Amino acid sequence: DTGVSQNPRHKITKRGQNVTFRCDPISEHNRLYWYRQTLGQGPEFLTYFQNEAQLEKSRLLSDRFSAERPKGSFSTLEIQRTEQGDSAMYLCASSAPGQGGNEQFFGPGTRLTVL
Amino acid sequence: AQSVTQLGSHVSVSEGALVLLRCNYSSSVPPYLFWYVQYPNQGLQLLLKYTSAATLVKGINGFEAEFKKSETSFHLTKPSAHMSDAAEYFCAVSYNQGGKLIFGQGTELSVKP
Repeated sequence: DTGVSQNPRHKITKRGQNVTFRCDPISEHNRLYWYRQTLGQGPEFLTYFQNEAQLEKSRLLSDRFSAERPKGSFSTLEIQRTEQGDSAMYLCASSAPGQGGNEQFFGPGTRLTVL
Repeated sequence: AQSVTQLGSHVSVSEGALVLLRCNYSSSVPPYLFWYVQYPNQGLQLLLKYTSAATLVKGINGFEAEFKKSETSFHLTKPSAHMSDAAEYFCAVSYNQGGKLIFGQGTELSVKP
């Protein structure tokens, strides 16, 4: 049984570059979530999908951020023209509604450092 | 705006002492409530959850939490702390099944020998 996986685990980039992260949810989980966590803070919601449909996106999320889940399986999160303020841990989670009240299972995260 | 408040960003207890981590949420709508734990360099792991069944919820590793609607609280407790409990603990709330989680800012638990 494999949990949620995220790649890469670490990414260092220069300001202004584009980056893309991948998340593979637990198989048969139809909901997939992206969160961002900065040092000393709790995770902050970014967006989530049910199958391939993006159901909600944080109003605080810059237009430089985009996420896709084209076939309802894995998802990608892209950040365009990265800024130093984008440095954070990006977390992915998945869930199967109807099981245990919305429990979300988290991946290990991708740590982004923007120089 | 819906929010979660964790009182105390850092809590220190002695091994064997009671652990109490506080969490309050802001809404009159009964939510789903969760406690997650994050060990250094690891992902978030679910400790326990409240989903409108029993108000006293038991989780893994001897932790439990009690939902008090009148106080909009969901405090986490453990009777006797172990060294292995040292970690960051996050309270989270969701207002619809399958929806986003709103997290508190976290409480770092230290356990002294």
